[in-house]
Amino acid sequence: NAGVMQNPRHLVRRRGQEARLRCSPMKGHSHVYWYRQLPEEGLKFMVYLQKENIIDESGMPKERFSAEFPKEGPSILRIQQVVRGDSAAYFCASRQGGASDEQFFGPGTRLTVL
Amino acid sequence: AQKVTQAQTEISVVEKEDVTLDCVYETRDTTYYLFWYKQPPSGELVFLIRRNSFDEQNEISGRYSWNFQKSTSSFNFTITASQVVDSAVYFCALSEANLEGSSNTGKLIFGQGTTLQVKP
Repeated sequence: NAGVMQNPRHLVRRRGQEARLRCSPMKGHSHVYWYRQLPEEGLKFMVYLQKENIIDESGMPKERFSAEFPKEGPSILRIQQVVRGDSAAYFCASRQGGASDEQFFGPGTRLTVL
Repeated sequence: AQKVTQAQTEISVVEKEDVTLDCVYETRDTTYYLFWYKQPPSGELVFLIRRNSFDEQNEISGRYSWNFQKSTSSFNFTITASQVVDSAVYFCALSEANLEGSSNTGKLIFGQGTTLQVKP
C-alpha cells in the first residue's frame, strides 16, 4: 500500500505565476489535510477536505489560495499570483473515514517563489 | 483555544547524553490525541508516537520514551544515549478527537518545534 504521494517535490515559480500542488492520499483514505510550513516555523493547518467537499478552510489565506478534492484524482492546492511570502513547504496528510484519527503525511512540496 | 508550546527552540548535546524535549499543550476537549513527529534535514515528517488523552501510561520504544502528565498538560519526549542521527527538528502536536457525531475535524495543531543537534 503506497503512502501519501505529493508532486512535484520541488516547484519554482516567479512572482505572479500560478502554483498547483498535488496530493494523492493513501488508498482507501477519503480525508485530506493540507499544512504549510514557513521557513523556521512549525506546520500550520490550512484546509481539510473530504471527497468533493471542503470541510474546514479556517487556515486558508482569504485570497489567491484554493483547494479541491474531486471524486476522481488527487487533491489540488492551487495558489494564484504567487508572491515571495508563499515560499514554504506544503504538506498533505490523509486519513481513513470514520473515527480513525491517525494522519499519514506525504513528503511535502517545497515551493520557491523567485 | 488549542495551543501547543515547545519552549525549547534549540538544544545541543554531545553524543550519548540523554535529552528531554518539552511539550505543553492547551485544550478544552476532554478527548484528544498528542503526537510527536521528527523532521530530519531531508525534510519529511516521520511519525514517532500518538497518545490518547485517556491513556496516561508512559511509553518506551528503544531509546525513546514519552512522559504524559495530564495534570500539568505536558507530553515530554526523552531520547536516551543520543546519537548523531537523532539530529532533527522535533514537533509536538495536538488534535481534537474525531469522534462520531462530533464536529471535530481532527486537524493537527503543531508546536513551533525544537531543533536538536547531537554532536559527535
